Amino acid sequence: GAVVSQHPSWVICKSGTSVKIECRSLDFQATTMFWYRQFPKQSLMLMATSNEGSKATYEQGVEKDKFLINHASLTLSTLTVTSAHPEDSSFYICSARGAGGFYNEQFFGPGTRLTVL
Amino acid sequence: AQSVTQLDSHVSVSEGTPVLLRCNYSSSYSPSLFWYVQHPNKGLQLLLKYTSAATLVKGINGFEAEFKKSETSFHLTKPSAHMSDAAEYFCVVRGGGNKLTFGTGTQLKVEL
Repeated sequence: GAVVSQHPSWVICKSGTSVKIECRSLDFQATTMFWYRQFPKQSLMLMATSNEGSKATYEQGVEKDKFLINHASLTLSTLTVTSAHPEDSSFYICSARGAGGFYNEQFFGPGTRLTVL
Repeated sequence: AQSVTQLDSHVSVSEGTPVLLRCNYSSSYSPSLFWYVQHPNKGLQLLLKYTSAATLVKGINGFEAEFKKSETSFHLTKPSAHMSDAAEYFCVVRGGGNKLTFGTGTQLKVEL
């Protein structure tokens, strides 16, 4: 149980285009989802926290207009990188937290590798 | 605010020898601490967690960690390293709002 998937696993896009990354909880309802960014050989940095049906809360320094997060259902959150540029190239990882027995742990997706040319 | 410091960015061991990955934490209250492992281009897998129960925590794949409040440490150990243990390891502390703060990671290399 407690599986989180991400799609796509990798994406290459041209500078100036927008890219959408999906994060799904497959066997539990995710009341909260988290989006992280990881640069090569570095640690994970929390970008934003989203609760189902509410606006996401962004960490300091993260542009909310650049990284659009939607958490429209209890099993799906999306991250859209708008007008992507090469500096947005990174590994994006989501995690999900549920209710009840799934409350005290975040379950991580496998990540999405974004390369902006 | 909570933070964790991983004392070694790289650790290299021979297969069959013990593993020690060091982590110190800073927290204004009793923390929840985790160790995650990340294999190349993969997501994170939870190895073990401490949430104020037993101070010696056993995890998956033979790993364990001991919470030492007096030393503010939560070091990860394994008696005998296997080639498949080669990966990046993150020490993590949980704060308010269930936010996780990650250490900078320790790259474990296992040599024949």
